[in-house]
Amino acid sequence: QVQLVQSGTEVKKPGASVKVSCKASGYTFTGYYIHWVRQAPGQGLEWMGRINPNSGGANFAQNFQGRVTMTRDTSISTAYMELSRLRSDDTAVYYCARDVGSGWIPELWGRGTLVTVSS
Amino acid sequence: DIQMTQSPSSLSASVGDRVTITCRASQSIASYLNWYQRKPGKAPNLLIYAASSLQSGVPSRFSGSGSGTDFTLTISSLQPEDFATYYCQQSYSTLLTFGPGTKVDIK
Repeated sequence: QVQLVQSGTEVKKPGASVKVSCKASGYTFTGYYIHWVRQAPGQGLEWMGRINPNSGGANFAQNFQGRVTMTRDTSISTAYMELSRLRSDDTAVYYCARDVGSGWIPELWGRGTLVTVSS
Repeated sequence: DIQMTQSPSSLSASVGDRVTITCRASQSIASYLNWYQRKPGKAPNLLIYAASSLQSGVPSRFSGSGSGTDFTLTISSLQPEDFATYYCQQSYSTLLTFGPGTKVDIK
């Protein structure tokens, strides 16, 4: 079945970077965009950006421009999201989600990766 | 960015109640509006896409309507498993945005 398996919990210090992985299975990885969405404690869902696994092209929300990088390794059907210059308010659960097909609707979600930023 | 607002931010309801949640966009988004359900500790679940299309496997008590800037999610008869937070999301712009959420809890 279609599945997205994310990497495990991370604890980082302010100013550091974190790289979260999202391994896809059960479908053709290059056929569907992957979105990254986060949810901070007590906050709502925040879209960070999307990557086209076929081309590697990506779009990012303005809030993350210059701090986020999205990449993929098609040989292992895995997408990555790296966030740099971490701050305490980057503490959140980070989700990857496969698109329905158009590139604009996150449909099937991973279980999330908790990233805690603390000194 | 297109800004999304939701009302109310929270509501209390009983099993069997009809529940309506409103979502408003800062500019016209045609019918490019989607609804998600989020339960604690679980990933979001796509309920409605394109304003009124029911995602496969979602119970028919969920329905969506609207176009332009104003949209509605309706649960016709609230069930115990429906107590959750609901988010709207616009897919009109290349840069997606979510609403702030509406928490539905038990009266």
